[in-house]
Amino acid sequence: GENVEQHPSTLSVQEGDSAVIKCTYSDSASNYFPWYKQELGKRPQLIIDIRSNVGEKKDQRIAVTLNKTAKHFSLHITETQPEDSAVYFCAAPYKAAGNKLTFGGGTRVLVKP
Amino acid sequence: NAGVMQNPRHLVRRRGQEARLRCSPMKGHSHVYWYRQLPEEGLKFMVYLQKENIIDESGMPKERFSAEFPKEGPSILRIQQVVRGDSAAYFCASSPAGRNTGELFFGEGSRLTVL
Repeated sequence: GENVEQHPSTLSVQEGDSAVIKCTYSDSASNYFPWYKQELGKRPQLIIDIRSNVGEKKDQRIAVTLNKTAKHFSLHITETQPEDSAVYFCAAPYKAAGNKLTFGGGTRVLVKP
Repeated sequence: NAGVMQNPRHLVRRRGQEARLRCSPMKGHSHVYWYRQLPEEGLKFMVYLQKENIIDESGMPKERFSAEFPKEGPSILRIQQVVRGDSAAYFCASSPAGRNTGELFFGEGSRLTVL
């Protein structure tokens, strides 16, 4: 099956600085890479995703990059704000199993004012 | 268009009782996935269902857990004879039929506490 590794597990940044979270995956057939944000006690919410026909996608202060050769993808948050504090999960689908998403272990981001 | 609806949002059970968690997918979605999230941990896949079919149950514990998605009505995740280790948030997600992109829409979750 798909194996998704996510680093770091915790990340503390000063407000205004950038945050970078990295993930690797194992299924070379994967072609869709979403990132979810989960606030305490809430559901995971999709914040950005990238498909394998592009290398980078940006939406305001967040961006995702994809390197299919190396099988890794990253989330970049610029100009961080306190409301960015949450747990972030990367995921990748396992193509041979109906595209079910396998999630990374999560990164707890704390933005200090 | 209502999102994925889960109920109950919170459920307390004593050891040995049964827990039933319900999930209604988004309108137009016929694929349902259940994930479990233990406290301070990530999302672990449990089961993937389409109407009247279990497609992939590779993440389901072998005993006490079952899931169904009948032709009419919500998907149900059933846990028999609950133990303290079953305490977790159970999230349901849905995706549209015929669009095999991997994009999932999550419900708010059902938080099970076993006393």
